[in-house]
Amino acid sequence: DGGITQSPKYLFRKEGQNVTLSCEQNLNHDAMYWYRQDPGQGLRLIYYSQIVNDFQKGDIAEGYSVSREKKESFPLTVTSAQKNPTAFYLCASSTSRPKLLTGGSDTEAFFGQGTRLTVV
Amino acid sequence: GENVEQHPSTLSVQEGDSAVIKCTYSDSASNYFPWYKQELGKRPQLIIDIRSNVGEKKDQRIAVTLNKTAKHFSLHITETQPEDSAVYFCAASSPEKDLYNTDKLIFGTGTRLQVFP
Repeated sequence: DGGITQSPKYLFRKEGQNVTLSCEQNLNHDAMYWYRQDPGQGLRLIYYSQIVNDFQKGDIAEGYSVSREKKESFPLTVTSAQKNPTAFYLCASSTSRPKLLTGGSDTEAFFGQGTRLTVV
Repeated sequence: GENVEQHPSTLSVQEGDSAVIKCTYSDSASNYFPWYKQELGKRPQLIIDIRSNVGEKKDQRIAVTLNKTAKHFSLHITETQPEDSAVYFCAASSPEKDLYNTDKLIFGTGTRLQVFP
């Protein structure tokens, strides 16, 4: 359900290794987001992308990288530079529309089921 | 950039009582305020939202109010039921002044609501 799929559901990584989390959506959404969820800290924005081949850093981008080569896909790479990568990662896509057309902004986000990354 | 604060972090109520969760935001240009519910082990899902041109919105037992002057908005759940138990997140859509008018959705830290039968 939801049309946005994350894989894998669980991922284990050795210290010093890079790892890539997959996020695919078939909702024809332009905007995609990556959030990190830690206990007591809510959802913190890592990266977001409004359009293919363009993306912006969120509040906690250090140690992460993304690409947006296709509208449907927004993979997140957790690099060895990320000091505390163990967390639950959520991908989302939204129906955000430019304010030029609507005079406002709607940003309903649909979430994937998440990937739980553990560093071993 | 936008900063969203959410209170309380945990909330316990008796079944049938009301629950209120409050959020404040910092960017006066924010214009869209959704609320998400995350049940244990599941993804967050939108339950209600409000836009900046509206002061209040209701959907059955849930309602959201917005005070643009004070930059705060609240979620109200009446006649709570055990299935309302979940983590609730508020969010604010912060418009970025870039080429694409990108909207950045910033979340609060979440409120764990427990409804006891």
